[in-house]
Amino acid sequence: GAVVSQHPSWVICKSGTSVKIECRSLDFQATTMFWYRQFPKQSLMLMATSNEGSKATYEQGVEKDKFLINHASLTLSTLTVTSAHPEDSSFYICSAREWTLFGTEAFFGQGTRLTVV
Amino acid sequence: SQQGEEDPQALSIQEGENATMNCSYKTSINNLQWYRQNSGRGLVHLILIRSNEREKHSGRLRVTLDTSKKSSSLLITASRAADTASYFCATVWGYGNKLVFGAGTILRVKS
Repeated sequence: GAVVSQHPSWVICKSGTSVKIECRSLDFQATTMFWYRQFPKQSLMLMATSNEGSKATYEQGVEKDKFLINHASLTLSTLTVTSAHPEDSSFYICSAREWTLFGTEAFFGQGTRLTVV
Repeated sequence: SQQGEEDPQALSIQEGENATMNCSYKTSINNLQWYRQNSGRGLVHLILIRSNEREKHSGRLRVTLDTSKKSSSLLITASRAADTASYFCATVWGYGNKLVFGAGTILRVKS
């Protein structure tokens, strides 16, 4: 199957700093990518839909100024957690959809564990 | 919220036993997918069942879908310790084909 690479796999940052997470589709083009957040022992919550060349679409309750999404190319989307605080500590996962003749399939990055201290 | 419910929330079984997890959803769907997540890792796609299908098999996995009840079940037969993971159902919802996940079941298979 297709590969989605997410980097970094883990990061520790100081409160008040910003952290950028990259999501790349390695062998296919993804016009749409999705960013999820997951707290321990909970499910994945969709944060936003990243659209290549246009603004991201955020889910209700997600602060767009807090979680900046840029989808500058067909293979790269970035999520920047700005002015991070301890409550932003979480597991962030990206997903990219590959469109085929038979429909679409979602592929996931390995996730980024963010710890804000 | 479009997230579905899953039960049980946690399941602990002995190796060799079967594990059944259930998922319910709220809207009409084109398909329903099951994913597996090992602790602190990304997701692995297990199986997709279309809305016009009632049952699907893949190796030791058996998925059923009841669109009238808006529910699905995942059966893992002859479980192994390596099956220990969290399992999520997911449906495509809304404009933009967003993949929305159920609450998940944490499966522990004891050897």
